[in-house]
Amino acid sequence: QKEVEQDPGPLSVPEGAIVSLNCTYSNSAFQYFMWYRQYSRKGPELLMYTYSSGNKEDGRFTAQVDKSSKYISLFIRDSQPSDSATYLCAMSGGGSNYKLTFGKGTLLTVNP
Amino acid sequence: NAGVTQTPKFRILKIGQSMTLQCTQDMNHNYMYWYRQDPGMGLKLIYYSVGAGITDKGEVPNGYNVSRSTTEDFPLRLELAAPSQTSVYFCASSTTPAPYEQYFGPGTRLTVT
Repeated sequence: QKEVEQDPGPLSVPEGAIVSLNCTYSNSAFQYFMWYRQYSRKGPELLMYTYSSGNKEDGRFTAQVDKSSKYISLFIRDSQPSDSATYLCAMSGGGSNYKLTFGKGTLLTVNP
Repeated sequence: NAGVTQTPKFRILKIGQSMTLQCTQDMNHNYMYWYRQDPGMGLKLIYYSVGAGITDKGEVPNGYNVSRSTTEDFPLRLELAAPSQTSVYFCASSTTPAPYEQYFGPGTRLTVT
């Protein structure tokens, strides 16, 4: 079983839709959970991070972590064409373990 | 404040050639990283550094070398390039309070033929 699993998609939705992106993981030591957004031919940029379990909201984006199920989600409300990108989940054990383990990424297209 | 810069943007190498990918950050970050990204494969860590003079191997270090003589620079050296090293290479940096918040450069697209 891979440490981090992420459905690569592609996912295509109409503008205004609610988007749900997900990752599962196997390593119980992961404490920090990140979502990176990567536009075509660009470097990834940090969108949100969550420590341990719970929810975090930032504008149209909500990140959820369920450590009991080893499952994380990113929700995008009122999706816009500018949200079209690859979304990568990433995880870290935190503390002195600063290395990130990435999912393969999900390609999202929001159609106007 | 330019963030993380990488040069070159593109490069084509012949098998067996060598080259150095440059990475510079101006945020005074102590941690720096090199990743490669293959289509549909996510990001794989090649090497990382926790400060000047200190480097360590990541998940896929074979065929690469690094050095870190200053806080700002973290070059990646490819010796004897092979087609398997065709990839997009990203450099990233982060700081001690939040090492998981990594800032990425724009990437170098390398083709080995």
